[in-house]
Amino acid sequence: NAGVTQTPKFQVLKTGQSMTLQCAQDMNHNSMYWYRQDPGMGLRLIYYSASEGTTDKGEVPNGYNVSRLNKREFSLRLESAAPSQTSVYFCASSEAGLAGVGDTQYFGPGTRLTVL
Amino acid sequence: AQTVTQSQPEMSVQEAETVTLSCTYDTSENNYYLFWYKQPPSRQMILVIRQEAYKQQNATENRFSVNFQKAAKSFSLKISDSQLGDTAMYFCAFMKLHPWAGSYQLTFGKGTKLSVIP
Repeated sequence: NAGVTQTPKFQVLKTGQSMTLQCAQDMNHNSMYWYRQDPGMGLRLIYYSASEGTTDKGEVPNGYNVSRLNKREFSLRLESAAPSQTSVYFCASSEAGLAGVGDTQYFGPGTRLTVL
Repeated sequence: AQTVTQSQPEMSVQEAETVTLSCTYDTSENNYYLFWYKQPPSRQMILVIRQEAYKQQNATENRFSVNFQKAAKSFSLKISDSQLGDTAMYFCAFMKLHPWAGSYQLTFGKGTKLSVIP
C-alpha cells in the first residue's frame, strides 16, 4: 500500500516549456487535489477532483490544467511554464466524494519544480 | 473567505519538554474541521491530529493534543515529551464541512518551524 505517489520528484524547465506532473493513489479514494507550496507559505489549492469525471478550480488555477484519468490518477499540466510557477507541488487524496463532507486528506511526497 | 494565522514563525523546545504551537482562524461557518499537519525535512505532509468543530472534546493522539476554543477561534497544538523526530514545520489547516460550501479546500496557515534541541 504505497498511499499517494507522485512523479517526478524533481524537474527543471525552461520558460515556455510544458510538462505534466503525475499523481496516483491506491486507497480507493474518491477525491484528489493538487496544491502548490511556496517559500514561507502554507499550501494553496490549484485544482481538485471530487470524483472521477469531475474537476474544479481551487484558489490559484491560472496557468494549470488537470485531468482525472481514472479513479486512481490525477495529473497536473503546465502548458507554458513561467518562473512564477517555481514551487513544490503536492498531490493529495481523500475518501470524500460528491456526497461526502470534509475529511482527512493524505499527501504525496511532492515534486520540486524549477522554471528558469 | 477563511484565514488561518500562525503567529509563531519559529519555536524551539528541549527534548522531553512540552511545547504549544498557536493557531487562530477566522470564519463565519459554524461547522468545520481543523487539522495539524507536520512537514519534516523530507517534505512529506503528515497528518498529526484533526478536530471536528461540533465536538466539544479536545482531540488527542498519543503525545499530541489540541486546545480547541471555538468561541475564541483558537486551535493550539500541544506536544508532550518532545522527541528529536518532532523537528519539523507544523501547519494548521481549516476545512469547511459541507460540499455545497466548497468543503474540499484546505486553507493552511504559513507554518511554525519547530526545533527540538537535544
